[in-house]
Amino acid sequence: DTAVSQTPKYLVTQMGNDKSIKCEQNLGHDTMYWYKQDSKKFLKIMFSYNNKELIINETVPNRFSPKSPDKAHLNLHINSLELGDSAVYFCASRRAWATNEKLFFGSGTQLSVL
Amino acid sequence: AQTVTQSQPEMSVQEAETVTLSCTYDTSESDYYLFWYKQPPSRQMILVIRQEAYKQQNATENRFSVNFQKAAKSFSLKISDSQLGDAAMYFCAYRSANFGNEKLTFGTGTRLTIIP
Repeated sequence: DTAVSQTPKYLVTQMGNDKSIKCEQNLGHDTMYWYKQDSKKFLKIMFSYNNKELIINETVPNRFSPKSPDKAHLNLHINSLELGDSAVYFCASRRAWATNEKLFFGSGTQLSVL
Repeated sequence: AQTVTQSQPEMSVQEAETVTLSCTYDTSESDYYLFWYKQPPSRQMILVIRQEAYKQQNATENRFSVNFQKAAKSFSLKISDSQLGDAAMYFCAYRSANFGNEKLTFGTGTRLTIIP
C-alpha cells in the first residue's frame, strides 16, 4: 500500500499545454505539500495545505494552481507550460501539530516540457 | 528566512569506511528540527535521521549519526561502515517548529559515491 501516491510518474508535453498532477495520501494526514526539484537537484517548496486550506505559497507563478478537494488529495494544475517548468515534482504529507514528524514523500512526477 | 548550506557537492568513500557529510544552517529561531534525507537513483526521498534542536544528545540510527552543534549551527551526518546501498544524494533540511511555517528548507545536496 503506497502511502503517498502521485500520478503520473512521467509527463512529457509541449510548451503551452495545460497539465495536472494528482496526489493522494492514505495516511490520514492533515497537511500536504508540493515540492519542485530542478535539474540541479535543488528541492524547493511550492505550496502547503492544511485541512484543504492554503497556508504556504512560495511565490510560485500564477500558472500553478493547487487544488485540495479533501484532506487526502492535493492536485497541481499547471497552465501554459514553459520550458523552465521541466522538473521533478514531489507531493508530501504529514500530520499537523506533529512538527517533529517526518514528511512522507511520493515518488515524484518527472515533467518534461518540449 | 532560513537557509541551509551543504558545501560538499560530491563525496566518495571506500566501502566499509566512514564518511562525514557537512551541513550548516542559518536561523534566528530557537526551536526547530533538522533532518537528513537520502535520495537514491530511484528518486524516492528517504528520511535517514532527524534531530530536535532542544535535544543536546546527538541522534543515531544504526550506522548513521549526527554531530549537532547548535551554537555553531552545524549538523553533520556520519555514515559508518559504508555500504554500496548508501550511494545516493543526501540532503540536509531544516524545519521551523512554528505552526504555519513548517516547510522543509533543503540544502543543495551532496552526491555520495561508494567505492567497492
